[in-house]
Amino acid sequence: SQKIEQNSEALNIQEGKTATLTCNYTNYSPAYLQWYRQDPGRGPVFLLLIRENEKEKRKERLKVTFDTTLKQSLFHITASQPADSATYLCALRGGGKLIFGQGTELSVKP
Amino acid sequence: GAVVSQHPSWVICKSGTSVKIECRSLDFQATTMFWYRQFPKQSLMLMATSNEGSKATYEQGVEKDKFLINHASLTLSTLTVTSAHPEDSSFYICSARDLARDLVNEQFFGPGTRLTVL
Repeated sequence: SQKIEQNSEALNIQEGKTATLTCNYTNYSPAYLQWYRQDPGRGPVFLLLIRENEKEKRKERLKVTFDTTLKQSLFHITASQPADSATYLCALRGGGKLIFGQGTELSVKP
Repeated sequence: GAVVSQHPSWVICKSGTSVKIECRSLDFQATTMFWYRQFPKQSLMLMATSNEGSKATYEQGVEKDKFLINHASLTLSTLTVTSAHPEDSSFYICSARDLARDLVNEQFFGPGTRLTVL
């Protein structure tokens, strides 16, 4: 079956460190993959999109990698801040639909 | 740009009543709108896809007679939960695709509506 898996356990890190979140998928061959941020009680907010022919994408303190051989995307937040605390969702398009992983909750402690 | 609003942001209703949730694209035209449902600590699950002027396409397991979707204009879609039951309590999120930016298949999400059925 088709699956998108993210670290189900919450990630707790110290302010200033780099947070790394993982997204693995099976039985898909997506042309691109997206990352979203979701705060409690709010809808997802788009962060980054990376295409299959791009190894890495950066936006300010965010960096995303996409390895189509490993079927994995890594999402990094450098110099993390307490304001980065949220749930981060990866998503890819399969069968014409945007399909989400379950999200990883990130908590950045001051 | 690319703002999607939802109304209401939360609603509490009695079992057996119907509830309507509105989704609007404020500064762009959306040919396609999507309705998701999210239970606590779970992912967003697509319920249906609605195209302006045509019938919605429902995902497997979603009752079309219970979750009525109307997409009458390029900026408005509504989801009506009919004869709501406590198990329908959830976080409902709509999303819209921007015609002008459709090349990248980008979707923009609303802030969500928390439905509680007593």
